[in-house]
Amino acid sequence: GQNIDQPTEMTATEGAIVQINCTYQTSGFNGLFWYQQHAGEAPTFLSYNVLDGLEEKGRFSSFLSRSKGYSYLLLKELQMKDSASYLCAVLDSNYQLIWGAGTKLIIKP
Amino acid sequence: ETGVTQTPRHLVMGMTNKKSLKCEQHLGHNAMYWYKQSAKKPLELMFVYSLEERVENNSVPSRFSPECPNSSHLFLHLHTLQPEDSALYLCASSQGTGGSGANVLTFGAGSRLTVL
Repeated sequence: GQNIDQPTEMTATEGAIVQINCTYQTSGFNGLFWYQQHAGEAPTFLSYNVLDGLEEKGRFSSFLSRSKGYSYLLLKELQMKDSASYLCAVLDSNYQLIWGAGTKLIIKP
Repeated sequence: ETGVTQTPRHLVMGMTNKKSLKCEQHLGHNAMYWYKQSAKKPLELMFVYSLEERVENNSVPSRFSPECPNSSHLFLHLHTLQPEDSALYLCASSQGTGGSGANVLTFGAGSRLTVL
């Protein structure tokens, strides 16, 4: 079966760096997405990786290794507003999105 | 209005009631989706419409009935629901349904459904 694994919850300190990992086993691969979802709000698109390597967007970076079935989302200079759930999703060979259960990130002062 | 708008934001209904969830997108997208989000579980795709035609129905019980009258509007009609159907129902849209940027989803804030 198809599976996406990510930690259920993580805690980090304001101003620090945190890395949220995502491993996947899917039928084919057409890209990996990260979304951010604040409590009670809509998930919003953060990044899309289809080639190996690191993509940087301001304080957020996303890394992909297709050979290892692995991605991570790196958040730098953490702010309180970064407290949210982070959803990893993979587009399989049929262009179906396979979702992880999300990682709840708690930022402490 | 911009983005994807869902109404109502909260809904409480009994098992014998009939209600509908509404979704509207103002992005000019061609595909619209219904997802179910339960606590600590992955998003579950329920229905996909592309150019107003249903292209995906992931074995969803018949007590959920979608309707897509045009490319901007999507409904989810609910009847004789069960308590286990209590969840957050998210609507989303995308430019298309195949490949890379076409699959970037824009979500609404969701309709929180409680079935008593």
